[in-house]
Amino acid sequence: GAGVSQSPSNKVTEKGKDVELRCDPISGHTALYWYRQSLGQGLEFLIYFQGNSAPDKSGLPSDRFSAERTGGSVSTLTIQRTQQEDSAVYLCASSSKPGGLGYTFGSGTRLTVV
Amino acid sequence: GNSVTQMEGPVTLSEEAFLTINCTYTATGYPSLFWYVQYPGEGLQLLLKATKADDKGSNKGFEATYRKETTSFHLEKGSVQVSDSAVYFCALSEWGLSTGNQFYFGTGTSLTVIP
Repeated sequence: GAGVSQSPSNKVTEKGKDVELRCDPISGHTALYWYRQSLGQGLEFLIYFQGNSAPDKSGLPSDRFSAERTGGSVSTLTIQRTQQEDSAVYLCASSSKPGGLGYTFGSGTRLTVV
Repeated sequence: GNSVTQMEGPVTLSEEAFLTINCTYTATGYPSLFWYVQYPGEGLQLLLKATKADDKGSNKGFEATYRKETTSFHLEKGSVQVSDSAVYFCALSEWGLSTGNQFYFGTGTSLTVIP
């Protein structure tokens, strides 16, 4: 596609429910990143995929968070048993090669846990 | 480790005023430096970048110079417009095998330009 597409754009969920956030990167971009933007805390790196592989998952905030990427394209970030502190904007970005500086961000998914 | 510290906001300026947003960084290697902008209701957009010491990035009248000796990358614009009202993020990136081109962002500086 023309840009990085994220869905849903907004999600309100009840505490304790599971949510799945989707990222559709720019076609052909092999590198994909997830970040979290919390109010007053800037952007926090969560995970990096090169192709379908994520070499390091230690940036995920807790074991309730998981991420996968299939077919070298779409990625999903899943949060199980959501907590209020998970409320944030989740941003996805992609680039054309691992060391590439051409990072394109999606518009994000605003998650609100009530 | 890597980190970015930028000037706290919010900043309010009159149209045509001079803008400076300070940014300093700490890095273990030789990072690239960036300014991103987030307009109300929109996603992050790259404003400018510099990949090595003494490089100057510029775009839309904004500029910033990579100063290794002061570990700084201050954003400047000579004459701001109302349309420049946004949140500005300073960031660095360093390549790592397990983290790719991970970005480290400052907390953002909100700029409001009044007519």
